[in-house]
Amino acid sequence: EDQVTQSPEALRLQEGESSSLNCSYTVSGLRGLFWYRQDPGKGPEFLFTLYSAGEEKEKERLKATLTKKESFLHITAPKPEDSATYLCAVQGPNYGGSQGNLIFGKGTKLSVKP
Amino acid sequence: DGGITQSPKYLFRKEGQNVTLSCEQNLNHDAMYWYRQDPGQGLRLIYYSQIVNDFQKGDIAEGYSVSREKKESFPLTVTSAQKNPTAFYLCASSMWTDDYGYTFGSGTRLTVV
Repeated sequence: EDQVTQSPEALRLQEGESSSLNCSYTVSGLRGLFWYRQDPGKGPEFLFTLYSAGEEKEKERLKATLTKKESFLHITAPKPEDSATYLCAVQGPNYGGSQGNLIFGKGTKLSVKP
Repeated sequence: DGGITQSPKYLFRKEGQNVTLSCEQNLNHDAMYWYRQDPGQGLRLIYYSQIVNDFQKGDIAEGYSVSREKKESFPLTVTSAQKNPTAFYLCASSMWTDDYGYTFGSGTRLTVV
């Protein structure tokens, strides 16, 4: 069964304290791995798509990396405005059926204190 | 601007009532989805539709119904058979060729009173 597990469930950082969030997955034939940011009471907002092991993408203080079994979201020198829940999702290879749907992890709730 | 619009933002339902949540997109996306989000549970798929006039049950379809009469619209009805409907509901849309995964609406918070 395809699964996505995110850790830790919650992470508290001081402003400027760098850290990483983990997303481990099992899926037959990964088409893409997606990271989203979700603020309280709002819909998830797209951050990154990764397609193959070794791929990296960056946006401001965030950097996403991918291996064959997991992805990391590295946060460098975070600021209070980076506080949010970060969701990871994987997509299997087959469109036209349920295997093409995204499978979401439960998320990591990040709090950055000033 | 293209996007996906959910309404209303807040909805209150009395016991035994059916309520309908609206979801409209102007992104020309083929596929649309409904998710339910509860604290500590993550996103759970209720229904999805890949083309007009066709839809499939997700993991937690019991007590819910949908229709897809137009490409732009995918309304969700929460029926009285849904025993625990209080939750945050998210609608999303996508294209297979899209690099952005899903585009989400801003959500509807449904509360039973």
